[in-house]
Amino acid sequence: DQQVKQNSPSLSVQEGRISILNCDYTNSMFDYFLWYKKYPAEGPTFLISISSIKDKNEDGRFTVFLNKSAKHLSLHIVPSQPGDSAVYFCAAIPAGGTSYGKLTFGQGTILTVHP
Amino acid sequence: DTGVSQDPRHKITKRGQNVTFRCDPISEHNRLYWYRQTLGQGPEFLTYFQNEAQLEKSRLLSDRFSAERPKGSFSTLEIQRTEQGDSAMYLCASSPYGGGAQGETQYFGPGTRLLVL
Repeated sequence: DQQVKQNSPSLSVQEGRISILNCDYTNSMFDYFLWYKKYPAEGPTFLISISSIKDKNEDGRFTVFLNKSAKHLSLHIVPSQPGDSAVYFCAAIPAGGTSYGKLTFGQGTILTVHP
Repeated sequence: DTGVSQDPRHKITKRGQNVTFRCDPISEHNRLYWYRQTLGQGPEFLTYFQNEAQLEKSRLLSDRFSAERPKGSFSTLEIQRTEQGDSAMYLCASSPYGGGAQGETQYFGPGTRLLVL
């Protein structure tokens, strides 16, 4: 049961344009969401997060949007740079219970930014 | 470097051998997590500790897997009688916990890539 889904395995954009990466979730207990970037042979690097009490969070070129009613979040990168080329994972944490703090990841989206 | 460190970075072993991985979290973080990642998938949760207490173990963690965090600092993950299906990247992460949502952000180490022949 895939509770966090990234339905686009890959995305290709031109340098300077916007990259939009999407993520859907099914578990209504999730209340904190994170995006990680991963280069080959390295661990995931934290990018940006959002709490369920917000619908938007910005950090420099990265903005995360959360639509709780649709159980959907997206990561916008503007402007995209070739160094942004990596695998992007969204992840979610439930509000409480025994699984509090446990990250559930999506399958990842490979972003390629062309010069 | 004050990030999460893992040792070794790579391990090749023969089926049936035991292997042990080590993780050193960020020093002030009291939560430590282990994940496993296979090709084309996102990391999957294995287990986590708050200080020295192991709070949850995934169903993915068979009896051949054991993890410890004896003094609430570094952690070890041991796999006994390795199988080819254990080949994966083993990731460790830590978080400060507490202080609201910011405490839930987990910071990952570089991972240990295991290949079982």
